[in-house]
Amino acid sequence: GQQVMQIPQYQHVQEGEDFTTYCNSSTTLSNIQWYKQRPGGHPVFLIQLVKSGEVKKQKRLTFQFGEAKKNSSLHITATQTTDVGTYFCAGLHSGTYKYIFGTGTRLKVLA
Amino acid sequence: GAGVSQSPSNKVTEKGKDVELRCDPISGHTALYWYRQSLGQGLEFLIYFQGNSAPDKSGLPSDRFSAERTGGSVSTLTIQRTQQEDSAVYLCASSRGGETQYFGPGTRLLVL
Repeated sequence: GQQVMQIPQYQHVQEGEDFTTYCNSSTTLSNIQWYKQRPGGHPVFLIQLVKSGEVKKQKRLTFQFGEAKKNSSLHITATQTTDVGTYFCAGLHSGTYKYIFGTGTRLKVLA
Repeated sequence: GAGVSQSPSNKVTEKGKDVELRCDPISGHTALYWYRQSLGQGLEFLIYFQGNSAPDKSGLPSDRFSAERTGGSVSTLTIQRTQQEDSAVYLCASSRGGETQYFGPGTRLLVL
């Protein structure tokens, strides 16, 4: 079946260090979305990637979509305490509106 | 409305009782999704609607779970004969079909 794996499951970093989470799908994706969920909150949309090899940046966040459209990454430069939360990828498979969410990476930033 | 709303925000029920969860999507959003999130876990897809039809019900855990959507707007998720393992946060999201999903605040369900 369609699966989306995400690593690492947890990441603790010192404030100012970089952070990366990786997302891998068992099948080719139409697009991939990234969400952030703060503790006690609900997922909030960050970005959507559609094209093979696409790279998008939002301030300190860099998102990449693999050439084969089966993997993606989110990189945060110089983390801040406000980056704390769980980051989820969600992959959309062709011919469907069904998004498969990754298992999430929980980021903790130590001041 | 300004965003996706869900009610109730919290629900405590006894094992064996039925519960009904409601989702009001953003006006004009044709797609509506239900997910379940257990404590500290990821999002488990339950069902999605395109308009009033549900092309994919594959995520519903058992026949105790059902959902409907009327008028292309409000959706209800019903859980019959609740079990303790049904305890979780039930999240609803809406979108313009394949695009950004806007999530509601969720309903926290606790089955005693």
